[in-house]
Amino acid sequence: GAVVSQHPSRVICKSGTSVKIECRSLDFQATTMFWYRQFPKQSLMLMATSNEGSKATYEQGVEKDKFLINHASLTLSTLTVTSAHPEDSSFYICSARGSQGDTEAFFGQGTRLTVV
Amino acid sequence: GQNIDQPTEMTATEGAIVQINCTYQTSGFNGLFWYQQHAGEAPTFLSYNVLDGLEEKGRFSSFLSRSKGYSYLLLKELQMKDSASYLCAVMDSNYQLIWGAGTKLIIKP
Repeated sequence: GAVVSQHPSRVICKSGTSVKIECRSLDFQATTMFWYRQFPKQSLMLMATSNEGSKATYEQGVEKDKFLINHASLTLSTLTVTSAHPEDSSFYICSARGSQGDTEAFFGQGTRLTVV
Repeated sequence: GQNIDQPTEMTATEGAIVQINCTYQTSGFNGLFWYQQHAGEAPTFLSYNVLDGLEEKGRFSSFLSRSKGYSYLLLKELQMKDSASYLCAVMDSNYQLIWGAGTKLIIKP
């Protein structure tokens, strides 16, 4: 299957700082990328959907000014958690899909964010 | 609204067979996925069903009945490494994945 690389895998940051998470599709062009967060023992919660070259579509309840998503190229999307707080500590996962009609989206390895 | 239901937790014995059920109600249907997720890791793809029937892939099989809004994942010859959460997800008419809460499978020796 296709490979999606997510970096970093773990990050610890101080409260009030910003953290950037990268998601790269290594061997295909990702028209659409999805960003999820997952709390312990819970399922994936979709935060936003981004299509290359356009603004991300955020799910209800997700602050777009806090979770900045950029999808400037067909192989890279970034999620920036701005002014992070301890409650932002979570597991963040990206997935990428080649085109809308594609049935499978491929997941990155996930990023464990801890805000202290 | 859209809804995916699956049991929260199941326990099975090493070497045995376990069936994890998933029922769904979604806006349109473009296929149903099963993913395996070990703690602290991203989900990994197991199966995809878009037509009714059984798809077999090694020790894992997945069944779909679109008329009943029902699927199951069947795991045979259980191994300790199969202890994980199993996520059911349906792709709706907009090609978006709707996720179930996951079933935590505990394998006992």
